[in-house]
Amino acid sequence: DVKVTQSSRYLVKRTGEKVFLECVQDMDHENMFWYRQDPGLGLRLIYFSYDVKMKEKGDIPEGYSVSREKKERFSLILESASTNQTSMYLCASSPLPRQSQETQYFGPGTRLLVL
Amino acid sequence: AQSVTQPDIHITVSEGASLELSCNYSYGATPYLFWYVQSPGQGLQLLLKYFSGDTLVQGIKGFEAEFKRSQSSFNLRKPSVHWSDAAEYFCAVGARGAGSYQLTFGKGTKLSVIP
Repeated sequence: DVKVTQSSRYLVKRTGEKVFLECVQDMDHENMFWYRQDPGLGLRLIYFSYDVKMKEKGDIPEGYSVSREKKERFSLILESASTNQTSMYLCASSPLPRQSQETQYFGPGTRLLVL
Repeated sequence: AQSVTQPDIHITVSEGASLELSCNYSYGATPYLFWYVQSPGQGLQLLLKYFSGDTLVQGIKGFEAEFKRSQSSFNLRKPSVHWSDAAEYFCAVGARGAGSYQLTFGKGTKLSVIP
């Protein structure tokens, strides 16, 4: 079974703090993704990476950055957390694009509260 | 750009009743289509996916979905709902991007089940 783990289930931070959210997958997947989920808005893509040290902006990258130094690990960084970044953050991974294999597998999520 | 519409924000059904959740997509090419389920406080679990071939797709937990190209729809069905099916359901369309493909999600349909 594919396993995607996220370093924290719940996190409370103060405005202006630098926040790191970590995601690790154990299936040697090339692609990794960060989403945020808000009530009534569904999931929105923040950043994704299709290779080590490669990153692409998603739909809402403002206020975020990412790091992928190793294939299995993808970090989301909030340089200076703000209250409007209070949300559920979901990490996902998927293998290289091949027919029938293009499925994203999700971690359990990190619920972040910024005070 | 692709988009997904789930017209029902919240649906309530009685246990044992049949279920159909609507999903309409907009995408210029042949879509990859997915249904995910999210239990409270959890990540997303893949229910089923459509890439090509048979337009009626079987998934886990007794769910199925039918791809109708003429209607741009991918509705999720279950003949008899169980109380454990209470969760939020997300439809998504996959589109090819840089080095990978990206998912665009609908805003979700929350399912409540009356015993």
